[in-house]
Amino acid sequence: NAGVTQTPKFQVLKTGQSMTLQCAQDMNHNSMYWYRQDPGMGLRLIYYSASEGTTDKGEVPNGYNVSRLNKREFSLRLESAAPSQTSVYFCASSTKSTSGRIQYFGAGTRLSVL
Amino acid sequence: AQTVTQSQPEMSVQEAETVTLSCTYDTSESNYYLFWYKQPPSRQMILVIRQEAYKQQNATENRFSVNFQKAAKSFSLKISDSQLGDTAMYFCAFMKQGGSEKLVFGKGMKLTVNP
Repeated sequence: NAGVTQTPKFQVLKTGQSMTLQCAQDMNHNSMYWYRQDPGMGLRLIYYSASEGTTDKGEVPNGYNVSRLNKREFSLRLESAAPSQTSVYFCASSTKSTSGRIQYFGAGTRLSVL
Repeated sequence: AQTVTQSQPEMSVQEAETVTLSCTYDTSESNYYLFWYKQPPSRQMILVIRQEAYKQQNATENRFSVNFQKAAKSFSLKISDSQLGDTAMYFCAFMKQGGSEKLVFGKGMKLTVNP
């Protein structure tokens, strides 16, 4: 049972380069999320997708784009990377249980922008 | 907007002892959920325990229990019989019921369990 899979695990970019972070879940969840984690800041929501074909901005969307390719996949794109985007990125998916939505997280991608 | 505050950035405890991690939150919502997530050095985010705001009974999961004080907007986590494997960052999180149901996290607290 793979759960939420993120690729790559590590990436180093130069300022101005572009890249896409991939996320896939095999739990048939409708909702998916992208967060970033910075030291001393906790996790902050970048974008989310409540269902296939829909995406919405979170708390810190500037400099990012997302694509909900299908129900399984939700990608995050940096068009022109900046040093301020150096962070650890987490993808999550969620399902509704009898106790509300529970989010399951991927292992994270550590991104450094030089 | 909701906010979550974890005022203690770091704590340590001896193995087998009990420790309590504090969390307060601010919201005008009536229906919501509260969570504690653990992040060990592996970086994986692991759900520890969750609490529905409409339930007065405090949630428990084995050695982990919460003290939920809705009026005070307080949600503390108690870890009993601490183990070395409990060493991790702990994040308190809030989720409004309905809509996107996204998580709002506190800044986290580093817990070290000493042998």
